[in-house]
Amino acid sequence: GAVVSQHPSRVICKSGTSVKIECRSLDFQATTMFWYRQFPKKSLMLMATSNEGSKATYEQGVEKDKFLINHASLTLSTLTVTSAHPEDSSFYICSARDWGGRGGETQYFGPGTRLLVL
Amino acid sequence: DAKTTQPPSMDCAEGRAANLPCNHSTISGNEYVYWYRQIHSQGPQYIIHGLKNNETNEMASLIITEDRKSSTLILPHATLRDTAVYYCIVKETSGSRLTFGEGTQLTVNP
Repeated sequence: GAVVSQHPSRVICKSGTSVKIECRSLDFQATTMFWYRQFPKKSLMLMATSNEGSKATYEQGVEKDKFLINHASLTLSTLTVTSAHPEDSSFYICSARDWGGRGGETQYFGPGTRLLVL
Repeated sequence: DAKTTQPPSMDCAEGRAANLPCNHSTISGNEYVYWYRQIHSQGPQYIIHGLKNNETNEMASLIITEDRKSSTLILPHATLRDTAVYYCIVKETSGSRLTFGEGTQLTVNP
């Protein structure tokens, strides 16, 4: 299957600082990428849909000014957690939509980024 | 998108087939059945998807009932590395989102 990478894999930051997470589709172009958050022992929750060249669409309850998403190219989307607080500590996972296979689209996920805010 | 129901947990002996069921009785005609799995502390991994015909790839087989109201993911020879949470998701393949439920925790025992 297609490969999606994320960087960094884990990050520790101080409260009040901003953290940028990169999501890259390595062997296919993705006009649409997704950002999820997962708390311990919980399922993945969609935060936002990122479309190349346009503004992201945020799910209800997700603050767009706190979680800045940029999808400037067909292989890269970034999520910036601004003014991070301890409650933002979580596992952040991106996915990229690939239309190239049989039977329509398939979403491929990155390995995730574990954020710890002190 | 249609809702799915999966057992919360299952056990399987190493080397045996693991059969993971999923009910999706409200599935509509243009919705596909997708299976993903998530090994602890990793991102979800795509396994397989299908519309109405049975599908097989190098990872697993997907058996969809004729009325499409349920399906079974089959791992033919489970290994310890197959221990993971398995998610069955029903969605249109026309761009709608993936909505993750609680999935099935499969534990493969030596």
